[in-house]
Amino acid sequence: DAMVIQNPRYQVTQFGKPVTLSCSQTLNHNVMYWYQQKSSQAPKLLFHYYDKDFNNEADTPDNFQSRRPNTSFCFLDIRSPGLGDAAMYLCATSRTGSGLFFGSGTQLSVL
Amino acid sequence: AQKITQTQPGMFVQEKEAVTLDCTYDTSDQSYGLFWYKQPSSGEMIFLIYQGSYDEQNATEGRYSLNFQKARKSANLVISASQLGDSAMYFCAMREELRSNTGKLIFGQGTTLQVKP
Repeated sequence: DAMVIQNPRYQVTQFGKPVTLSCSQTLNHNVMYWYQQKSSQAPKLLFHYYDKDFNNEADTPDNFQSRRPNTSFCFLDIRSPGLGDAAMYLCATSRTGSGLFFGSGTQLSVL
Repeated sequence: AQKITQTQPGMFVQEKEAVTLDCTYDTSDQSYGLFWYKQPSSGEMIFLIYQGSYDEQNATEGRYSLNFQKARKSANLVISASQLGDSAMYFCAMREELRSNTGKLIFGQGTTLQVKP
């Protein structure tokens, strides 16, 4: 089945130690998104790619970076995680005019 | 200004009864889409139902229906015959500029629904 896959499901990192979260899709959608969701809050958009064009939200911290080497894969890099970065990170895809298809998320813990 | 408002932080419903989750939105776009997602405790975001701004009929998907009142800018979700598995967080979301290349999805704050046996 076509889907959006996020790995790993749970990620533990240390304060200040770089971490990378990955997302892959078999839907061949041209748009990929990264959302951050803290406990009991709404998902917050960090950035998105339209094909290879990167679009950063104005309030996304510089600590967060992203890469999209090809249509299928997208990575979220957190350069120096702080305790406040502990959250669920959701990857989503869409094509022009459609809704968003979400992966299962990666729950990030920072020790 | 908040664009999606869900005024019910938490709701209870008896099993097999119907429940309505409220959502109001604000946009100046003529072309937009409204979505409802379910998020169980496991965390995945499950798409439930979609309503386009130009759709004249209310969307329905099985036990889910969307009560779309365009003039009031409301898009309430109605779940009929509630089941225990419906207990989850429910998010209303809007995508503006539906025909654009990106069209970001903006979420409301969510409503936690608990179904009582």
